[in-house]
Amino acid sequence: GAVVSQHPSWVICKSGTSVKIECRSLDFQATTMFWYRQFPKQSLMLMATSNEGSKATYEQGVEKDKFLINHASLTLSTLTVTSAHPEDSSFYICSATGGRGYNEQFFGPGTRLTVL
Amino acid sequence: GENVEQHPSTLSVQEGDSAVIKCTYSDSASNYFPWYKQELGKRPQLIIDIRSNVGEKKDQRIAVTLNKTAKHFSLHITETQPEDSAVYFCAASPNTDKLIFGTGTRLQVFP
Repeated sequence: GAVVSQHPSWVICKSGTSVKIECRSLDFQATTMFWYRQFPKQSLMLMATSNEGSKATYEQGVEKDKFLINHASLTLSTLTVTSAHPEDSSFYICSATGGRGYNEQFFGPGTRLTVL
Repeated sequence: GENVEQHPSTLSVQEGDSAVIKCTYSDSASNYFPWYKQELGKRPQLIIDIRSNVGEKKDQRIAVTLNKTAKHFSLHITETQPEDSAVYFCAASPNTDKLIFGTGTRLQVFP
């Protein structure tokens, strides 16, 4: 149990285009979902926290107009990188809580974004 | 906000030896401390966690200790094996559910 999926697993796009990444909890209802960004050989940096039906809470320094988060249901959250640029190239990982245990997060497999 | 420091950044050990990774956190309200193993290009995998009302927890070759007074927690891996080679992250969770990750430790176990 407590499986989180992400789609796509990788994406290559041209500079200036927008990219949408989906995060789904497959066998539990995710009360809260989190989005992280991980650059090569670095740690996971929390970008934002989203709760179903409400606006996401962004971490300091994360542009909310550039990284649009929608948590429309208890099993789906989406991250849209708008007007992507090469510096947005990174590994984006989502996680979800609500399956079991307080605080425990279940991670998706990640999405490798490359912006040309 | 919470800040988590992790040491060392790299650790090389001989197969069969023990490995210890240490983390410190800043927010005394943090009450949940998980450890993750991440292989290249993969998702972080929870290997062990500890809550603030417990001082030590063990699961086979892996143990975690927590010193709330000093705001330290450590991961201990005994009898290391080559398949333990990966990047390990500690994290701390304030009451708000979110996780703040340490900077990571690249562990290499040589046969």
